[in-house]
Amino acid sequence: DTAVSQTPKYLVTQMGNDKSIKCEQNLGHDTMYWYKQDSKKFLKIMFSYNNKELIINETVPNRFSPKSPDKAHLNLHINSLELGDSAVYFCASSRRGGNEQFFGPGTRLTVL
Amino acid sequence: DAKTTQPPSMDCAEGRAANLPCNHSTISGNEYVYWYRQIHSQGPQYIIHGLKNNETNEMASLIITEDRKSSTLILPHATLRDTAVYYCIEVSNFGNEKLTFGTGTRLTIIP
Repeated sequence: DTAVSQTPKYLVTQMGNDKSIKCEQNLGHDTMYWYKQDSKKFLKIMFSYNNKELIINETVPNRFSPKSPDKAHLNLHINSLELGDSAVYFCASSRRGGNEQFFGPGTRLTVL
Repeated sequence: DAKTTQPPSMDCAEGRAANLPCNHSTISGNEYVYWYRQIHSQGPQYIIHGLKNNETNEMASLIITEDRKSSTLILPHATLRDTAVYYCIEVSNFGNEKLTFGTGTRLTIIP
């Protein structure tokens, strides 16, 4: 059973389009995160949610809007995609009060 | 920005112990040292963490110096599947903190 899953695994789209990436965890964790890994392999936090409430927002453009319908899901919607949004996006989760994060397999987004 | 420094790359022979150093000279009293690794094309994976005592689990051992300014991750019997980028990260003890990844150490296990 996959602990943290993401869909799709690959996403290729044109500039200006709107797309969503979905994340689900079956670990019963309260906190979920989105990280971005760019072409130079730097991994950076974007958002975190604790039980559906936004906790961390790391100066990410307003075009990025996370949505957490319940504590097991944290989806990432991106409006007006730009070339610089091309990256691998990782979802992660952790239990309440913990720092051991479980990462998903990543979604490779390519904006043409 | 990451506050830890690690060598950019290391090689280790298969079956030998891999010792990965990390400097965290500005670590504060409430910060733990966490180690994660990222195997090619996969998400990062938690390995181990510690505050000031040495720690061991089924994956690795963590040796932290008495002054807490540096630590070493030890993979006791490295296998080819241990080839990955290893990250040493300072994390406060508040819980559910963001992970600030640096550039890590690219460990290559040689057959």
